[in-house]
Amino acid sequence: SQKIEQNSEALNIQEGKTATLTCNYTNYSPAYLQWYRQDPGRGPVFLLLIRENEKEKRKERLKVTFDTTLKQSLFHITASQPADSATYLCALTNDYKLSFGAGTTVTVRA
Amino acid sequence: GAVVSQHPSRVICKSGTSVKIECRSLDFQATTMFWYRQFPKQSLMLMATSNEGSKATYEQGVEKDKFLINHASLTLSTLTVTSAHPEDSSFYICSARRTGDSYEQYFGPGTRLTVT
Repeated sequence: SQKIEQNSEALNIQEGKTATLTCNYTNYSPAYLQWYRQDPGRGPVFLLLIRENEKEKRKERLKVTFDTTLKQSLFHITASQPADSATYLCALTNDYKLSFGAGTTVTVRA
Repeated sequence: GAVVSQHPSRVICKSGTSVKIECRSLDFQATTMFWYRQFPKQSLMLMATSNEGSKATYEQGVEKDKFLINHASLTLSTLTVTSAHPEDSSFYICSARRTGDSYEQYFGPGTRLTVT
C-alpha cells in the first residue's frame, strides 16, 4: 500500500543554519509533490509545489528537490529563523486528492 | 487572496448529539472542497471530497451516514457529525480548490471537536 514517510518527527537547529527535511514515498508515482507548513492548532499553509518533471524549486529561503528515481523529496530552509519553527508536511497527489506525511516538527533556537 | 474560514473553531458536545461545521472560501469560488481529520501527532487523513451541487465522495472507511457533507454553493461546504461519540473527537480541517486553478489547496484554520 501507499506509504509516505518524513525523516524524523522532530528537528532542532540553531538560528542561521539550514534545516533539511526528507520525504520518502513507496508504492506511488505522484505527478505533484507539495510542502505545507502547519502551526499548532491551525490548518496547513501551502508553501511550494514541484512537478514530477522538475528537479528543483525555490521560493525565498525555501528550496525543494524532487527525485522520482529515489522516490524522495528534500525540503531546505536556509538561514533559518525562530519564526520558521513549525511542523512541515509533505503531500503527494496525482489529481486533486492529497496524501500527507505525518510531518516533521522543526524548532529553531535563537 | 485565497482565504478559507471555518466555524466554529472549537466545539464541545455531548455524546449522541450532532455538530455542524462550516467551511467558507471568503474571496474565491471553490468548485471542490475537501474535509480532513487529524489526530494528535498524526497526518491529515482525507475523509471526503465535496463538489458543489453534487454528492460528496467519501474515502474508504468513512461512514457517509455519520459524516454528512453538503456543498450547496461555490463558497460554502458543511460537515455534520451525527450522533457524535468520544472517538469522533478530533481536529477537522477543510480545504478548498479554486475553480479553474491547478493543484494548490487552501486550508481553513480547523475545528477542534470534543465529544464528552
